[in-house]
Amino acid sequence: QVQLQEAGPGLVKSSQTLSLTCSVSGASISSGVYYWSWIRRHPGKGLEWIGYILYSGSTYYNPSLRSRVTISVDTSKNQFSLELSSVTAADTAVYYCARAMRKHFDQWGQGTLVTVSS
Amino acid sequence: QSALTQPASVSGSPGQSITISCTETSSAVGSYNLVSWYQQHPGKAPKLMIYEDSKRPSGVSDRFSGSKSGDTASLTISGLQAEDEADYYCCTYAGSWVFGGGTKLTAL
Repeated sequence: QVQLQEAGPGLVKSSQTLSLTCSVSGASISSGVYYWSWIRRHPGKGLEWIGYILYSGSTYYNPSLRSRVTISVDTSKNQFSLELSSVTAADTAVYYCARAMRKHFDQWGQGTLVTVSS
Repeated sequence: QSALTQPASVSGSPGQSITISCTETSSAVGSYNLVSWYQQHPGKAPKLMIYEDSKRPSGVSDRFSGSKSGDTASLTISGLQAEDEADYYCCTYAGSWVFGGGTKLTAL
């Protein structure tokens, strides 16, 4: 059974960098057929796709966040990570890691709330 | 860049059928982007309910069905149950993933 689990600080200060890691079990990131993604949900709002990474390290980001986002992968640990720089209160959200197969997300982590404080 | 429009809320009584629409607007004429649907209960992770417009993953109740006509995709839930009360999101991939704003389903 595939499981994804997010980890990282629940509180980040404004202007600093948000960093989260997603640990994957039950599947290998190196399998090559999946898009390992980050998605967030702002309080009371809908879902927003942040970006994805392939096992090769190739990335693609939401154009609205591209200047502040970095997604990386560590295949030896079967993990991938998100960094979002220069955060503001608008980045307060529940952050999910997810696996995309072809054009849909078939597996999701439980999500982690990140609050940006001033 | 595509955008997906969903009704903010829908409601139905137990046993009824309800339909949630998802209309795609795109600068590209004649787009044929595949749509997926996700169910999210409060405090839980989203769950894939429909992919590639109308396919249902293993384990998802056959009360859930998807369809698409032109630029509008639809999720239909038949025999509405209290446990179906949740937020529902449509999603499409058009170079990058775009989610609809979400629809809150209330089982009256």
